Amino acid sequence: RKEVEQDPGPFNVPEGATVAFNCTYSNSASQSFFWYRQDCRKEPKLLMSVYSSGNEDGRFTAQLNRASQYISLLIRDSKLSDSATYLCVVTASGGYNKLIFGAGTRLAVHP
Amino acid sequence: GAGVSQSPSNKVTEKGKDVELRCDPISGHTALYWYRQSLGQGLEFLIYFQGNSAPDKSGLPSDRFSAERTGGSVSTLTIQRTQQEDSAVYLCASSFGAQPGNTIYFGEGSWLTVV
Repeated sequence: RKEVEQDPGPFNVPEGATVAFNCTYSNSASQSFFWYRQDCRKEPKLLMSVYSSGNEDGRFTAQLNRASQYISLLIRDSKLSDSATYLCVVTASGGYNKLIFGAGTRLAVHP
Repeated sequence: GAGVSQSPSNKVTEKGKDVELRCDPISGHTALYWYRQSLGQGLEFLIYFQGNSAPDKSGLPSDRFSAERTGGSVSTLTIQRTQQEDSAVYLCASSFGAQPGNTIYFGEGSWLTVV
């Protein structure tokens, strides 16, 4: 079983749609959680951290359920510029910042 | 620039040759990471350096892979006797410290093609 699992997609949605991505992780000792965004042939960039209380950044909302080892990302009012691959990321146990990446979910927003 | 710098950006090599990939982290960042991403795949952890501590080499796929970090700054990833399955983009990243939650910044990667 992979340490971080995501639906690979692609998710094809029209502009303005709301889309949700899910992710599960296997290591209950993971301490920190993130969503990264990766554009085609570019490096990953941090989109947002994920907290148990849930957090929101503009049109993006992230949620963490530690009991279920489940992370989600909600994008409201999708824009063409949101088209990218969204990577679910957790830190490995061991007390340092070793990031374990999911394979990513591809999002394509069309006019 | 102030970001993570990697070279070469693209490398085509013949099977069996050795290659060296270089990473120059953000100034002041003590933690440095190497990841590999094959076409259509997620990022695979290779190795991690933190200050003067022993590196975490647990992700290196075989003994053909090695990495050094000299003077706590620049790092070199070496692949000996390259194979076609080594073709991937090799991403270097750095962070200010090693604590979970410190933002990690990636370079643009070195795209390796083994023919």
